[in-house]
Amino acid sequence: GAGVSQSPSNKVTEKGKDVELRCDPISGHTALYWYRQSLGQGLEFLIYFQGNSAPDKSGLPSDRFSAERTGGSVSTLTIQRTQQEDSAVYLCASSFPSDLLGNLAKNIQYFGAGTRLSVL
Amino acid sequence: RKEVEQDPGPFNVPEGATVAFNCTYSNSASQSFFWYRQDCRKEPKLLMSVYSSGNEDGRFTAQLNRASQYISLLIRDSKLSDSATYLCVVNEDNAGNMLTFGGGTRLMVKP
Repeated sequence: GAGVSQSPSNKVTEKGKDVELRCDPISGHTALYWYRQSLGQGLEFLIYFQGNSAPDKSGLPSDRFSAERTGGSVSTLTIQRTQQEDSAVYLCASSFPSDLLGNLAKNIQYFGAGTRLSVL
Repeated sequence: RKEVEQDPGPFNVPEGATVAFNCTYSNSASQSFFWYRQDCRKEPKLLMSVYSSGNEDGRFTAQLNRASQYISLLIRDSKLSDSATYLCVVNEDNAGNMLTFGGGTRLMVKP
């Protein structure tokens, strides 16, 4: 597809269960980002992948959160033993790396529609 | 102190009004600046990049003031469809790939 694709669009789970969220970035984008957005709040950075480099995990809120990006394309965000405070919209974005573009176009991130996670 | 700060609003304006939002950033080494728009329960979408010399796109004008470390967005002749949250976005990473999002300013345009 032309844009960033996320699945599922909605996920309802019980407290304590594990969930996996998927992100399929725009073809050719080597940078991939996960964010979390709680109701009425701003974007909270979680993790960033760039090519084959080690991911920047500095935003992950706890060790229950992990993410993988296999083959440099699709990424999965896993939340283990979900808690009610994990309820939020999880957004994925992708971009070209800045060193491959001119100054005027670099860093632009394109977002998927998000996965709305509800932990009961 | 937040790295990118915005007035959360809401800004309630009548149709046809001109409205301006400001945003301040803390990292003087920031290189790229953007305004994104986020509609209710939707993902953020790029509205416009902000260039050093200032730039205009139709009814929207973006300005950058590096000395004072702020960015502005001016919307002229507001439309009902402009109602949304406007996110100020700054790259804070020296490598240029990480973006920091402000909390957003909510705009409501009323008939």
